[in-house]
Amino acid sequence: KNEVEQSPQNLTAQEGEFITINCSYSVGISALHWLQQHPGGGIVSLFMLSSGKKKHGRLIATINIQEKHSSLHITASHPRDSAVYICAVASWSSGGGADGLTFGKGTHLIIQP
Amino acid sequence: ETGVTQSPTHLIKTRGQQVTLRCSSQSGHNTVSWYQQALGQGPQFIFQYYREEENGRGNFPPRFSGLQFPNYSSELNVNALELDDSALYLCASSSKSSGGLGYFGPGTRLTVL
Repeated sequence: KNEVEQSPQNLTAQEGEFITINCSYSVGISALHWLQQHPGGGIVSLFMLSSGKKKHGRLIATINIQEKHSSLHITASHPRDSAVYICAVASWSSGGGADGLTFGKGTHLIIQP
Repeated sequence: ETGVTQSPTHLIKTRGQQVTLRCSSQSGHNTVSWYQQALGQGPQFIFQYYREEENGRGNFPPRFSGLQFPNYSSELNVNALELDDSALYLCASSSKSSGGLGYFGPGTRLTVL
């Protein structure tokens, strides 16, 4: 079973700061997802990574497969970025079926004006 | 905003009752996964359906069951509800063409009294 650890659990920062959220996992994966969850529960998929780096607007996600580690960065953070950011990994059982995603507990980010 | 919808948005049941939650998948997606998210925790994988068949299951008892229909929409059924079943239930749809990237619905919040 894959163990997914995120850090920090909680992060409060000032508007404009550069934010980094980290995710590490214990077993090889087929893909890693970064998700954003706002109060009320709706989840938005931000990125899916299997290698390298992806950028979308002010968000950047990187993954190091050898080190089993990924980071999500937010540049020029804004109060509307306040949300829970969740890392989730996808793996396949030995039988070829789907194990679904294994989620981290999330990082609760608050950006203050 | 994704094309994944869930109904109902909120539901209150009593212990021992049965509940059915519904999910319509993103157009073109043939895989639906269901997750349970307890308060303050990351989502936990319940099961996945691919082309109307269960394609993987997490550590949930048999009283959690599901269906997928020819249009790829899906139902999650929970029998003999327990207090600990109170949670946000999320579904996500995906396909090989989406690269496995799951699009999440807004969730159904179930409260068991």
